[in-house]
Amino acid sequence: EAGVAQSPRYKIIEKRQSVAFWCNPISGHATLYWYQQILGQGPKLLIQFQNNGVVDDSQLPKDRFSAERLKGVDSTLKIQPAKLEDSAVYLCASSLRQGVNTGELFFGEGSRLTVL
Amino acid sequence: GQNIDQPTEMTATEGAIVQINCTYQTSGFNGLFWYQQHAGEAPTFLSYNVLDGLEEKGRFSSFLSRSKGYSYLLLKELQMKDSASYLCAVNSNYGQNFVFGPGTRLSVLP
Repeated sequence: EAGVAQSPRYKIIEKRQSVAFWCNPISGHATLYWYQQILGQGPKLLIQFQNNGVVDDSQLPKDRFSAERLKGVDSTLKIQPAKLEDSAVYLCASSLRQGVNTGELFFGEGSRLTVL
Repeated sequence: GQNIDQPTEMTATEGAIVQINCTYQTSGFNGLFWYQQHAGEAPTFLSYNVLDGLEEKGRFSSFLSRSKGYSYLLLKELQMKDSASYLCAVNSNYGQNFVFGPGTRLSVLP
């Protein structure tokens, strides 16, 4: 079974530029999460989708970050314009279900962003 | 809101036993997960507790007390490859939310 796919693995941009990350979850997984992990910290949830609907985006900086999951499968996360403090690893994760029987999250390898 | 607390760093010796604690405050508790994360890699699932008590899986065990909002991960017969960050994560709000703690960086010394 293929795992969670993410691209690109690494991206270096200058501040005020834009960047987009792509994620393809495990086939059949209804719930998709984007996390931001700053070096030395735990992952912080940015947005959670259930199929193609947003469940939680309360911590997404909506003035610069956007995310979509149009067909309920793959997803893109965009940052425009980027700031220095956006330097982090962006982790995508998926789970089979949501609710009482959520089960574990499966993570992709992450996209490491460096903003200069 | 939700709050998850873990020690920032721990050090132990190869072959020893180490216990990593996690305390949490949440509503609609739906389970607690432990993940291992090696430097530069994605988190990988270790264990899951939804009922009180101890879950054992080889060298790793995890304990949960829901009334105390407390869990620990016990690692036995430590090996050098166990040097990693250990993340406590709570599934809350009746399964709607999945929140991670800050992580505990464990260093295993020879």
